[in-house]
Amino acid sequence: QSALAQPASVSGSPGQSITISCTGGGSDIGGPYNYVYWYQQYPGKAPTLIIYEVDKRPSGVSNRFSGSKSGRTASLTISGLQAEDEATYHCKAYATDMTWVFGGGTKLTVL
Amino acid sequence: QVQLVQSGSDLQKPGASVKVSCKASGYSFTTIAMNWVRQAPGQGLEWMGWINTNYGTPTYAQGFSGRFVFSLDASVSTAYLEISSLKTEDTAVYYCARSWGGFDYWGQGALVTVSS
Repeated sequence: QSALAQPASVSGSPGQSITISCTGGGSDIGGPYNYVYWYQQYPGKAPTLIIYEVDKRPSGVSNRFSGSKSGRTASLTISGLQAEDEATYHCKAYATDMTWVFGGGTKLTVL
Repeated sequence: QVQLVQSGSDLQKPGASVKVSCKASGYSFTTIAMNWVRQAPGQGLEWMGWINTNYGTPTYAQGFSGRFVFSLDASVSTAYLEISSLKTEDTAVYYCARSWGGFDYWGQGALVTVSS
């Protein structure tokens, strides 16, 4: 499985909204499962789950984070950008060969 | 509360072996699969595979069979990752993460450095 494609970096100003894309293939994001996940990672820390099964938020995750999927592309949107959102975001999807595949990660800079 | 606590950083020479541990607490260890994820310096996350904590059966992602071995000791709620014949390119942080509606809990990571 090839890694999912994410932009290396995105940026936005406080209060703005940004969207991070995650593009795969027909056997993962475009496949039959709605198993797309997003993780937030601060430098030197372990990732934390912020979106599961495309658009669900775990308890405790801000509703400023939302997920969606269309065809072979999943997206993470962060609204009302805050300084604390500055981190790296990783997407992950389940593939039809029963493996997990990650994206390369997107570094978000809050200007 | 759920916790995954990994062993500390390790410095090894090429050709040596290393064993990383991941001790789980706060839940029934044998009911939730454990995954291993690698993150090379400055790179993204890479799924290495998972182990069925009920039966102890491992599944390895492409590129992680042979030198990489997943095991567990259910009596102490601990999963292990052993890497043999270490290469400099194995230098990375290795995470354990359980799968429950996503990888919902992660260990703090174990830095393995391979250098002569």
